[in-house]
Amino acid sequence: QQPVQSPQAVILREGEDAVINCSSSKALYSVHWYRQKHGEAPVFLMILLKGGEQKGHEKISASFNEKKQQSSLYLTASQLSYSGTYFCGTRNALGAGSYQLTFGKGTKLSVIP
Amino acid sequence: SQTIHQWPATLVQPVGSPLSLECTVEGTSNPNLYWYRQAAGRGLQLLFYSIGIDQISSEVPQNLSASRPQDRQFILSSKKLLLSDSGFYLCAWTAGGDQPQHFGDGTRLSIL
Repeated sequence: QQPVQSPQAVILREGEDAVINCSSSKALYSVHWYRQKHGEAPVFLMILLKGGEQKGHEKISASFNEKKQQSSLYLTASQLSYSGTYFCGTRNALGAGSYQLTFGKGTKLSVIP
Repeated sequence: SQTIHQWPATLVQPVGSPLSLECTVEGTSNPNLYWYRQAAGRGLQLLFYSIGIDQISSEVPQNLSASRPQDRQFILSSKKLLLSDSGFYLCAWTAGGDQPQHFGDGTRLSIL
């Protein structure tokens, strides 16, 4: 089941904050976040494994609410380099048959001067 | 360190022609390997994944196939390309479990 990302697109001025959400209709075991710049391959940002876990990567952090089956990515004091499309990938099970991620449709983030 | 190589970077093929895209990983053994397709402006669609040599799982029925003849080599093939096969094809690897997926630079395939 494909996770739902919101918003689909957002435009920020440098220095502004943004939140990107990723929701699943199925129980989540883990959530992965990636950023893809135009014409390039996706680049790994972070993985969240436990409910309520928060992680950070520079000024980008994320939370994972296992009960709500959702994750949020927080971008603070955005920089021009944050522009790109952000994807969440979810893993819904453990063990056999759980080797794949299901990616959302992405959130396009544009940071302008 | 581990690296992933994918080629060619760009490919233009006529409808009905065959296809072979290759992906190799260096610096690791027994990786999980993946093929994704991304249509313009769209998300990542998983096509195939492999957890070992000759162990291929197909996620989407279509005219594409995948093979893993060696531990660190993953090949995407088609006998006859369709217009709908156009897109950005990405190979990825992971060490397994909840490890990051690392993507190759991708192949941009255009079908004429």
